[in-house]
Amino acid sequence: EAGVAQSPRYKIIEKRQSVAFWCNPISGHATLYWYQQILGQGPKLLIQFQNNGVVDDSQLPKDRFSAERLKGVDSTLKIQPAKLEDSAVYLCASSFTPPSEKLFFGSGTQLSVL
Amino acid sequence: AQSVTQPDIHITVSEGASLELRCNYSYGATPYLFWYVQSPGQGLQLLLKYFSGDTLVQGIKGFEAEFKRSQSSFNLRKPSVHWSDAAEYFCAVGSYNAGNMLTFGGGTRLMVKP
Repeated sequence: EAGVAQSPRYKIIEKRQSVAFWCNPISGHATLYWYQQILGQGPKLLIQFQNNGVVDDSQLPKDRFSAERLKGVDSTLKIQPAKLEDSAVYLCASSFTPPSEKLFFGSGTQLSVL
Repeated sequence: AQSVTQPDIHITVSEGASLELRCNYSYGATPYLFWYVQSPGQGLQLLLKYFSGDTLVQGIKGFEAEFKRSQSSFNLRKPSVHWSDAAEYFCAVGSYNAGNMLTFGGGTRLMVKP
């Protein structure tokens, strides 16, 4: 079974630039999550999709972050413009039905904002 | 709002010794509880989960955890640690009533001495 795919693996940008991350969940998983993991901290949920609809985006900084899952499969997370404090690992996860099913995590995208 | 506290940021144990990682949660209703492990450069992997029933749950890699409602705790244990167990461990709480959002603790980094 293929896992959750994320790209790129690493990204280095300067502040005020824009960046996009891509996630392909496990086939058949209706729920998709984006988490932000700052060094030394636990993952923090940014946004949760059920198919192509948003379930929870209460912790997404909407002035600079956006996410979409247009066809209910792949998802893109964008930051524009980036700030130094956005340096983190961005994790994508998917599951069949929350919360009883376990989350399957991708390896993440490590973002460094200089 | 639900929250998770992992009091120990770092723990060092000798190989073959027993291990207990502490986790305390705050949530008004019955929570779903999880332990995930994260090795360097890897995504998070589920070790075990508790939803209901038997308060002692068994997981992969020889880990177990005990749900104690009176103490709001869900501590992770292993009777004999292996060098390959060195990683970061995250406790998480979720609930259908909380919109299926999974909240992670700050993590405990486990180091294993030979």
